[in-house]
Amino acid sequence: GENVEQHPSTLSVQEGDSAVIKCTYSDSASNYFPWYKQELGKGPQLIIDIRSNVGEKKDQRIAVTLNKTAKHFSLHITETQPEDSAVYFCAFKTWGNEKLTFGTGTRLTIIP
Amino acid sequence: DSGVTQTPKHLITATGQRVTLRCSPRSGDLSVYWYQQSLDQGLQFLIQYYNGEERAKGNILERFSAQQFPDLHSELNLSSLELGDSALYFCASSGGAGELFFGEGSRLTVL
Repeated sequence: GENVEQHPSTLSVQEGDSAVIKCTYSDSASNYFPWYKQELGKGPQLIIDIRSNVGEKKDQRIAVTLNKTAKHFSLHITETQPEDSAVYFCAFKTWGNEKLTFGTGTRLTIIP
Repeated sequence: DSGVTQTPKHLITATGQRVTLRCSPRSGDLSVYWYQQSLDQGLQFLIQYYNGEERAKGNILERFSAQQFPDLHSELNLSSLELGDSALYFCASSGGAGELFFGEGSRLTVL
């Protein structure tokens, strides 16, 4: 079925350290895995995405890895900065289905 | 700025009332999606339209309805409002490559 588990629900990281958020999905037909950042009072913003034919993608300090065998994908943020503090959502989409199903979110706090 | 415009940004109304939320997608995007986000909750898919036609339906209550007009803007109608309908309602649009671009949301408070 369409389900994704996201962990942890909250994460506090010292500025400059790395943060990792993990999502596990159940539908092997899933083929698109984006990550969204939501700041207070704003809409979710796409920060990085990966498709099922790729194992890793990187954009400056942000990277996403996908393990299709284990059915999980992770967001990695390196050299964290205070402006990285936000709620992060993973999501996925399956073949033939255009909607995105979202995880429950991770509240990331960067400690100066 | 995602290019998706939602109005109104805030709305306060009473139980039993009816409201309409409006969304203008990014220029050129044919798909519009509506999501509901309750306090400290994730994003729940409500409904999707593609070029004026309903494409997919999620956990949308019968009291809620939506439509997409020829100019591609969309409206979400919420009727017989209950306290539990208080939430952020997001509209997103997509050009077909998979990425969804979200508006800033409409915050509905039902008193």
